[in-house]
Amino acid sequence: NAGVMQNPRHLVRRRGQEARLRCSPMKGHSHVYWYRQLPEEGLKFMVYLQKENIIDESGMPKERFSAEFPKEGPSILRIQQVVRGDSAAYFCASSKTTSGRETQYFGPGTRLLVL
Amino acid sequence: DQQVKQNSPSLSVQEGRISILNCDYTNSMFDYFLWYKKYPAEGPTFLISISSIKDKNEDGRFTVFLNKSAKHLSLHIVPSQPGDSAVYFCAASGGGSGNTGKLIFGQGTTLQVKP
Repeated sequence: NAGVMQNPRHLVRRRGQEARLRCSPMKGHSHVYWYRQLPEEGLKFMVYLQKENIIDESGMPKERFSAEFPKEGPSILRIQQVVRGDSAAYFCASSKTTSGRETQYFGPGTRLLVL
Repeated sequence: DQQVKQNSPSLSVQEGRISILNCDYTNSMFDYFLWYKKYPAEGPTFLISISSIKDKNEDGRFTVFLNKSAKHLSLHIVPSQPGDSAVYFCAASGGGSGNTGKLIFGQGTTLQVKP
């Protein structure tokens, strides 16, 4: 089964710690998108990456958040010095191309809780 | 600035009847629309999509209608089944030159299908 994989599924951090969320795209997919869902809200786009490149980071908070998609290995969303407002579900999606009409397939998400 | 809106937070339907979920958008440059279904603690699952060059797309029990002049789309589920009970998200992509394929989501509609 070559679906989108995310780990960890649940992550608990104390304020000020770092959170690292990982995403492995579907087999054959080289485009990765990260979305965040705050409680009682829809998903909000954060960042779009291809291998070794950030293509669109217009949805990323200006500070503390970064993302990468190295040549080898999963895509990483990194949140430094977490605050309670970072508590949310973070979803990764992948697609084969980015024609603008390509379906994105989502992983199960990482639920981050900041104490 | 909510470019994709699902104005009904919830919908309750009897099993076997039709479920109609609605979605409005404001950006006339959107050219691809998708519906996702989401169960608690899982990632969104792709259901059906439609390109702006069409006004209808059908897949089994699911049909999506697009009215470009009204900037409105709807998802019809016939017949509804208890297993359809979930949160349904409408999403759009496009937006002119430089489109990176990022999805803009509505807030979601919780569908409950009663046996």
